[in-house]
Amino acid sequence: KNQVEQSPQSLIILEGKNCTLQCNYTVSPFSNLRWYKQDTGRGPVSLTIMTFSENTKSNGRYTATLDADTKQSSLHITASQLSDSASYICVVSPDYGGSQGNLIFGKGTKLSVKP
Amino acid sequence: NAGVTQTPKFRILKIGQSMTLQCTQDMNHNYMYWYRQDPGMGLKLIYYSVGAGITDKGEVPNGYNVSRSTTEDFPLRLELAAPSQTSVYFCASSKLEEQYFGPGTRLTVT
Repeated sequence: KNQVEQSPQSLIILEGKNCTLQCNYTVSPFSNLRWYKQDTGRGPVSLTIMTFSENTKSNGRYTATLDADTKQSSLHITASQLSDSASYICVVSPDYGGSQGNLIFGKGTKLSVKP
Repeated sequence: NAGVTQTPKFRILKIGQSMTLQCTQDMNHNYMYWYRQDPGMGLKLIYYSVGAGITDKGEVPNGYNVSRSTTEDFPLRLELAAPSQTSVYFCASSKLEEQYFGPGTRLTVT
């Protein structure tokens, strides 16, 4: 069964610290893996999209890594800010292009950044 | 560009009532989607559309209907609201890989 598992479920860190969120997936075939940020009461916003041939991709202070062999991804946040407080969702697509109607969503990691 | 807009933001329905959740995008995207997000759960796809006049079921379509008469609009219809449909509903659109989400509609059925 296609699944996306994220850990930890929630995380509290102090402002300025770094953190790493994990995503393991059992999706086959595999097209790409995305990380989304969802602020409370808002829709998800894309951070990164990586295909199976990409090992790492950055978006400002966010760096995603992908190991397609072990089917693991991580999202590293550097020098956290209060505005990083949100849920981070890992999403895997088994489809190459097309309708993207089969995305598999993880349950998300809720990050709280405290001053 | 406004992106993806959804109305209403909040709604309370009584069991058995009907309503339509509106979704509009101004990015000329062919693909549009409806998801529901329950507390502590990942987003689940309800319906999606690959273009005007074409719709298809997602993972959880029961109790919902959609139509796509124009590229811009993709309304979601609830015919007989049930408490199990209490959720947050997100509309999204895409041209290629990246999906753009609306702000969501929080629906409570009592």
